[in-house]
Amino acid sequence: EVQLVESGGGLVQPGGSLRLSCAASGFSFSDHYMDWVRQAPGKGLEWVARIREKASSYTTEYAASVKGRFTISREESKNSLYLQMNSLKTEDTAVYYCARANTATRYFDYWGQGALVTVSS
Amino acid sequence: DIQLTQSPSFLSASVGDRVTITCRASQGISNYLAWYQQKPGKAPKLLIYATSTLQSGVPSRFSGSGSGTEFTLTISSLQPEDFATYYCQHLNSYPITFGQGTRLEIK
Repeated sequence: EVQLVESGGGLVQPGGSLRLSCAASGFSFSDHYMDWVRQAPGKGLEWVARIREKASSYTTEYAASVKGRFTISREESKNSLYLQMNSLKTEDTAVYYCARANTATRYFDYWGQGALVTVSS
Repeated sequence: DIQLTQSPSFLSASVGDRVTITCRASQGISNYLAWYQQKPGKAPKLLIYATSTLQSGVPSRFSGSGSGTEFTLTISSLQPEDFATYYCQHLNSYPITFGQGTRLEIK
């Protein structure tokens, strides 16, 4: 069974940093692109970042709203995905989901349950 | 960036109704469009990808169509479990974007 479990959310002050983790199991993690998607309270979905697999040299893509502040990474030995978030702003407050991209289509076929990040003083 | 605009933003319907949600792209995206369903407090679920391909396990009452800049999600006969929020998403280019969502509620 495919499982994605996020952790690391919490309350942080504006300007602070936080690292989210996503533990993957039940599939060959190294074969998949992985993404982060967020959802501000009561709002819609916003794609945040993507990291490709080893065969694509782990290249990354970012939304303009987080580029230069957030870094997506992965650790194959731990089947884990990460999102390092620096210089956090109040508008970064959201539930952050990790999502698996299907190897053939690249659409998000499995999602984690989400981790809440609250940026507030 | 490609903007996706869904209509309507809110839809009230009854069990058994046929409903259609439209997603318009600000520029052509070929068939690189997906639809997701999200229920309160839950992660989104992939329903349809590549405009019209049903994800495994999704009931056949869901269907998708379109190309270029206009796409539709149709639910042929609403069931109680279908009341949720629906999002379109494109994969044509970066950044990946989602529509603003269509909230489907019971009349």
